[in-house]
Amino acid sequence: EIVLTQSPGTLSLSPGERATLSCRASQSVSSSYLAWYQQKPGQAPRLLIYLASSRATGIPDRFSGSGSGTDFTLAISRLEPEDFAVYYCLQYGSSPYTFGQGTKLEIK
Amino acid sequence: EVQLVESGGGLVQPGRSLRLSCAVSGFTFGDYAMHWVRQAPGKGLEWVSGINWNSGTIAYGDSVKGRFTISRDNAKNSLYLQMNSLRAEDTALYYCAKDTHYDILTGGSVDVWGEGTTVTVSS
Repeated sequence: EIVLTQSPGTLSLSPGERATLSCRASQSVSSSYLAWYQQKPGQAPRLLIYLASSRATGIPDRFSGSGSGTDFTLAISRLEPEDFAVYYCLQYGSSPYTFGQGTKLEIK
Repeated sequence: EVQLVESGGGLVQPGRSLRLSCAVSGFTFGDYAMHWVRQAPGKGLEWVSGINWNSGTIAYGDSVKGRFTISRDNAKNSLYLQMNSLRAEDTALYYCAKDTHYDILTGGSVDVWGEGTTVTVSS
């Protein structure tokens, strides 16, 4: 099983700042089959990024993904108030699929 | 509009069984793989199981293997999760979710989620 470790656990930033979230895998993720999700309280997760760097439909271009192998990053260039949420990475290249434990992005 | 509506959750005693259902609309159900993902109260996401378009490829998370069974009925646009030998640690919100591909483990991500159904395992 591939273990995904997200860091930091909590990130405190102000609107307008840049956020950088990390997702590190215990072994190489096949073909960069890695996605990022945003989850707000009481809501289902929303797909942001797939294939490590492709934005999902309707996702603003301030969200970007990068990385390959075992190290992946989600960047949010200029934080908007609605971006404060919990973010999860998911690897879907090998069974079982696995999620990271999440990074909480909170308002400073 | 794509919709996934889960049902079947509830309070169940340890060791008992429960069957979850997910009714879908707004897309051609038989063209896509599907998944169940759960979230324990206050915790992160855990992938439970996935099934490809024709039920030919199925996979499970280690914590549910041998106890849970995923299935689908393309004629009824429905996904199911049969949960046996339930444990307290199975208590969670269970999401039904759509894949972007017809098969699992072939590069499709999980793109659309339902609102979930709550399962509570307690005596």
